[in-house]
Amino acid sequence: SAVISQKPSRDICQRGTSLTIQCQVDSQVTMMFWYRQQPGQSLTLIATANQGSEATYESGFVIDKFPISRPNLTFSTLTVSNMSPEDSSIYLCSATGRTEAFFGQGTRLTVV
Amino acid sequence: AQKITQTQPGMFVQEKEAVTLDCTYDTSDQSYGLFWYKQPSSGEMIFLIYQGSYDEQNATEGRYSLNFQKARKSANLVISASQLGDSAMYFCAMSILTGGGNKLTFGTGTQLKVEL
Repeated sequence: SAVISQKPSRDICQRGTSLTIQCQVDSQVTMMFWYRQQPGQSLTLIATANQGSEATYESGFVIDKFPISRPNLTFSTLTVSNMSPEDSSIYLCSATGRTEAFFGQGTRLTVV
Repeated sequence: AQKITQTQPGMFVQEKEAVTLDCTYDTSDQSYGLFWYKQPSSGEMIFLIYQGSYDEQNATEGRYSLNFQKARKSANLVISASQLGDSAMYFCAMSILTGGGNKLTFGTGTQLKVEL
């Protein structure tokens, strides 16, 4: 099983600013995924982070708002840009194998 | 497109009893995976159990078992001998394997409360 370290665990940010979330996996993985969980809701996939190429975004999510980096097979970042209160959510990264999918501890973001 | 349905927003169970959390899915793919996760109030997602679409046996992991009925497209989670620490939100998810990773679609979740 993979161990994923995600940070920060929580943050309170001013509207209009940006926050970068980091995920470090203890083994090499081909793909990493970023999810958002709005208050009281389920998880929604934001994008797939590929090493060596641009991230693939799901409908409703754009690179300008959620830029992603994947510099190597163990690390990825998600930036939430120009934040508004509607961005207040839990953000989670995921690394998967064939029969498993593990998550980081999550970043609980509050935008004020 | 894939869809996961969890019809029980909340469930109550007494300690030491078994409980079944329902999950149905819809997909046109023949090869897929089904996952269950536990999310306590801390927000972390804890992987519980996995069932592949071609697995003939129902998956089991300790007190967790997955009742997989492929023809009915259901993948219910059974928790035996419930404990107070089992109180949490439970999510069912489906994956379509994509280039080496599991891209997950989640259901809306079931809030389980274990009572004395």
